[in-house]
Amino acid sequence: DIQMTQSPSSVSASVGDTVTITCRASQGIARWVAWYQQKPGTVPKLLVFATSNLQTGVPSRFSGSGSGTNFSLTISSLQPEDFATYFCQQSNRFPALTFGGGTKVGIK
Amino acid sequence: QLQLQESGPGLVRPSETLSLTCTVSGGSISDYVYYWGWFRQPPGKGLEWIGSVYHSGTTYYNPSLNSRVTISLDTSKNQFSLRLKSVTAADTAMYYCARPSTLGMTEWGQGNLVTVSS
Repeated sequence: DIQMTQSPSSVSASVGDTVTITCRASQGIARWVAWYQQKPGTVPKLLVFATSNLQTGVPSRFSGSGSGTNFSLTISSLQPEDFATYFCQQSNRFPALTFGGGTKVGIK
Repeated sequence: QLQLQESGPGLVRPSETLSLTCTVSGGSISDYVYYWGWFRQPPGKGLEWIGSVYHSGTTYYNPSLNSRVTISLDTSKNQFSLRLKSVTAADTAMYYCARPSTLGMTEWGQGNLVTVSS
């Protein structure tokens, strides 16, 4: 199994801050990483696919980068609606999928 | 646009079998070269892939659940189903159906909360 180690598990930030979340894969996964946002009581929303491709309709303040085993999601100029939990997910051995443990972005 | 909706009981007794169905609308599940999957999320925790079924009926399961899981297609009803046997409290979670792909998932059901309790 490919494990995804996500950090930090939580972060406190203010509106306008830049937040970076990282995921490390237990083995190389090329660029097969997606990032999701989830707010309480809702289903995960796809933000980024294949490491750095923004899903249609996702604001440009979200960006993804990385390759191999190290990946990151950056939120620039944090907005009030961005306070949520974020998950990474690898699909290198699709259809098998694994997720990171999640990062809760809270208000400082 | 495809829409997915889970259905099934919200309470299952320990040691019994959890059964959920996902109904797909907006298209036929046998017309698409897609995978269909089940996921779960314990309260306050992260997401876990349970397994997937290809439109041909071929199944793939999470190794950690492989011995207890069965996923199947019912093309006549445009549904796919999950059966998880011998449940314990650790199986309490929100269960989601979705359409997975290598490029992520944009189509999810709303979720079905299942509590395992006597």
